[in-house]
Amino acid sequence: QSALTQPASVSGSPGQSITISCTGTSSDVGSYNLVSWYQQDPGKAPKLMIYEVSKRPSGLSNRFSGSKSGNTASLTISGLQAEDEADYYCCSYAGGSIPYVFGTGTKVTVL
Amino acid sequence: EEQLVESGGGLVQPGGSLRLSCAASGFTSSTYSMNWVRQAPGRGLEWVSYISSSGNTKYYADSVKGRFAISRDNAENSLFLQMNSLRDEDTAVYYCARDRNRMDVWGQGTTVTVSS
Repeated sequence: QSALTQPASVSGSPGQSITISCTGTSSDVGSYNLVSWYQQDPGKAPKLMIYEVSKRPSGLSNRFSGSKSGNTASLTISGLQAEDEADYYCCSYAGGSIPYVFGTGTKVTVL
Repeated sequence: EEQLVESGGGLVQPGGSLRLSCAASGFTSSTYSMNWVRQAPGRGLEWVSYISSSGNTKYYADSVKGRFAISRDNAENSLFLQMNSLRDEDTAVYYCARDRNRMDVWGQGTTVTVSS
């Protein structure tokens, strides 16, 4: 099972919207509505931001939203803030004996 | 507060063994499947292993199959990862994470360094 493909970096100015793509295959992203997204600050554990493609955990800012089309999932951060600067990883359920595959990770920079 | 705390990391020589532990608190871990995820220095997240709530179903990444063994003690709310025949490329921070078709609770991680 290969890692899902994400852009290495995405940047934007405060207040802007950015979108991070996550491309998999028909065996993972394309087959299940079980894509999740994680935010990771340096030296910290990942934090769940989006699950089941577009659902937000309780208490999470609605500036974060998720979607999926075919084999590609996306995370959109609207109203970009300095505190959003971090690494972001997508993850998809893949079924079978390798249940999860992570994306390659995207570094978000707030200009 | 729902919390996971890993322990057991350290420095080990290539070919050596290490046993990681993950203690759950604030929730009944026996009702959840669990995962181990690792992150090599400067690299991305890699799923390592999964265990069902009962412990009857276990899965492993190809990179660790045959060398690592996941287990759990539901009476003690604990998860374990026995790592044998360690290689340089196993050097990473190892996280345990609760599974609800997403990983919604993570530990702080424990560092494993494989080096001679």
